[in-house]
Amino acid sequence: DQQVKQNSPSLSVQEGRISILNCDYTNSMFDYFLWYKKYPAEGPTFLISISSIKDKNEDGRFTVFLNKSAKHLSLHIVPSQPGDSAVYFCAAISSGGSNYKLTFGKGTLLTVNP
Amino acid sequence: NAGVTQTPKFRVLKTGQSMTLLCAQDMNHEYMYWYRQDPGMGLRLIHYSVGEGTTAKGEVPDGYNVSRLKKQNFLLGLESAAPSQTSVYFCASSLMVLQETQYFGPGTRLLVL
Repeated sequence: DQQVKQNSPSLSVQEGRISILNCDYTNSMFDYFLWYKKYPAEGPTFLISISSIKDKNEDGRFTVFLNKSAKHLSLHIVPSQPGDSAVYFCAAISSGGSNYKLTFGKGTLLTVNP
Repeated sequence: NAGVTQTPKFRVLKTGQSMTLLCAQDMNHEYMYWYRQDPGMGLRLIHYSVGEGTTAKGEVPDGYNVSRLKKQNFLLGLESAAPSQTSVYFCASSLMVLQETQYFGPGTRLLVL
């Protein structure tokens, strides 16, 4: 049973527009969420994170929103650029106990068209 | 700093063969991880280490063994490769377990025939 779900395998947007990538989770113990970006033939790179005590975190063009009641988070990229074209993974972790496991979603392929 | 490096980048094995994947990091990180990524799947944790000389099982540990004899190195071994182990393997390291920055290596593509 997938605990972190990215239901959209792909997303295509025009350059300059907003990209919204969505992620849902089922495990209420998750309290820290991360987004990773992955280019082909490279390892994932950390993009932005949010703690469950916040509902928004912003870093330049990237903003992550967290809706705990809905167990939903989203990544907004504004404005989108062709270089943002990559696979985006949502990941979650529980800070309680000795759980060292990041649980990843399946990823969403974002294509930004010039 | 090279960050996280992985050796080899690509390997083809026959069923039953063994091999070791090497991960090295030069950031003095305590935590290291091995993941596998399969088509249409997220990254799944195979094994991890919270420090030199320690290892623990992750989500999909069967068929793999690991060793962390030196802080900077984390080895992933396949004793008897199976076609189901065809995958892309990523190593990662982090300073702290909740540190958002898990640094990933470039990956090793493994094909088991």
